[in-house]
Amino acid sequence: DIQMTQSPSSLSASVGDRVTITCRASQSITSYLNWYQQKPGKAPKLLIYAASSLQSGVPSRFSGSGSGTDFTLTISSLQPEDFATYYCQQTYSIPRTFGPGTKVDIK
Amino acid sequence: QLQLQESGPGLVKPSETLSLTCTVSSGSISSRTYYWGWIRQPPGKGLEWIGSIYYSGSSYYNPSLKSRVTISVDTSKNQFSLKLSSVTAADTAIYYCASEMTTVTKNYLDYWGQGTLVTVSS
Repeated sequence: DIQMTQSPSSLSASVGDRVTITCRASQSITSYLNWYQQKPGKAPKLLIYAASSLQSGVPSRFSGSGSGTDFTLTISSLQPEDFATYYCQQTYSIPRTFGPGTKVDIK
Repeated sequence: QLQLQESGPGLVKPSETLSLTCTVSSGSISSRTYYWGWIRQPPGKGLEWIGSIYYSGSSYYNPSLKSRVTISVDTSKNQFSLKLSSVTAADTAIYYCASEMTTVTKNYLDYWGQGTLVTVSS
């Protein structure tokens, strides 16, 4: 199985801050990397697919980059509705695996 | 846009079989660009991919669960289903169904059901 790690596991930030979350795969996954946002009591929501493609309807302050084993999700200016947990997921091979999540809360 | 809704018992006894159904609306389960997947999340923990199925019945599973999992599809009802046998307390989780957009260059879960909590307890 391809193992996914994320850093940090949690972070505290203020509205307006630039936030970067890192995801690393245990082997190359080329660009088969997705990012999801999950708020308490809700299903995950797709933000970024194929490492850097913004899902329709997602604000442009979200962006993704990377390829191979190292990926980043960036929120350019954190908004109140962005406080949530973020997961990366690889879809390069079976089983699909998720990172452990990064919780973003209010400083 | 696609809508998905899980249904099934919220309580299952240990050693029995968990059965859930996902109903797809505002789209066809026979779409050639979608697989249909199940993901679960133990309370307070992360996400685990269980498996996915194509409308033709072609499926693939997480090897960690493969011996206990069956995913099936009913195109006439626009539904797909999950069966997980010999459950234990470790299978207590929120179970989500989702649409899995699949092309040669990308694969992602774009629409999700609201999730259903299944508790394994006697």
